[in-house]
Amino acid sequence: SQQGEEDPQALSIQEGENATMNCSYKTSINNLQWYRQNSGRGLVHLILIRSNEREKHSGRLRVTLDTSKKSSSLLITASRAADTASYFCATDTQGGSEKLVFGKGMKLTVNP
Amino acid sequence: NAGVMQNPRHLVRRRGQEARLRCSPMKGHSHVYWYRQLPEEGLKFMVYLQKENIIDESGMPKERFSAEFPKEGPSILRIQQVVRGDSAAYFCASSPQEGEKLFFGSGTQLSVL
Repeated sequence: SQQGEEDPQALSIQEGENATMNCSYKTSINNLQWYRQNSGRGLVHLILIRSNEREKHSGRLRVTLDTSKKSSSLLITASRAADTASYFCATDTQGGSEKLVFGKGMKLTVNP
Repeated sequence: NAGVMQNPRHLVRRRGQEARLRCSPMKGHSHVYWYRQLPEEGLKFMVYLQKENIIDESGMPKERFSAEFPKEGPSILRIQQVVRGDSAAYFCASSPQEGEKLFFGSGTQLSVL
C-alpha cells in the first residue's frame, strides 16, 4: 500500500521560481526521504529528515516535517530547467521492517 | 566505488519464459531492495533482503516471483512463466544499514511479448 502521497501531482513553473511539493503519510515513521527521478533513470536520493527533526536544508532544497500532521514539504528555490524531473517522498514505518514505501510522485517541469 | 549495477538494462521475454534480473549492490552494502515501477507511477516495494536472508517479502506476488541474495554474487529477482502484466521497470537499491538512504541502480526494463 502507498504510504506517502505527493501533492500536487504535476507542477509547471518558470525558471527562477520556487517549487513546493507536499507529502502526506499515514503511519508513524522513523524518517522521511525525498528522491528525484529523471525520465527512464533510477532514483537519486536528495535528503533525509528524521522524525525528531523539523527542518533540513541542502543547497537549494529545504525540507520540513510535521509529525503531528503526518506531512512533509520539499521546497526547491530558484529553480532551473535541470530540476525538471519526478520527485518522490518515501517513508519507513516505525516498528516495521525498515523498507521504504514510495508515493506516486510529482512531476515538476521548469520552463526556461 | 561503483554504484548499484543492474543487468540487463533491457530484457525481452515471450509469455511463459523466465526472466532473471541481477543486481550487484554498492561495495560494503548488505541491504538490497527490489521495486517495480509501471509507467507514470511510483515505485512499488517488492522485497527486502540481507545477505542470505529475506527480511520482508510482503510486496512479492505469491506465485512465480522469487528473490535471493546469496553470500557470494549478485541479488537475483526471478520471474517464472512471465505474463504481459509483468512488463515494467524493476529497480534495485542498496544501503549500508537500515534507516539510511538508498542508492538505486538504473533499472531493468522488462518487456513481455
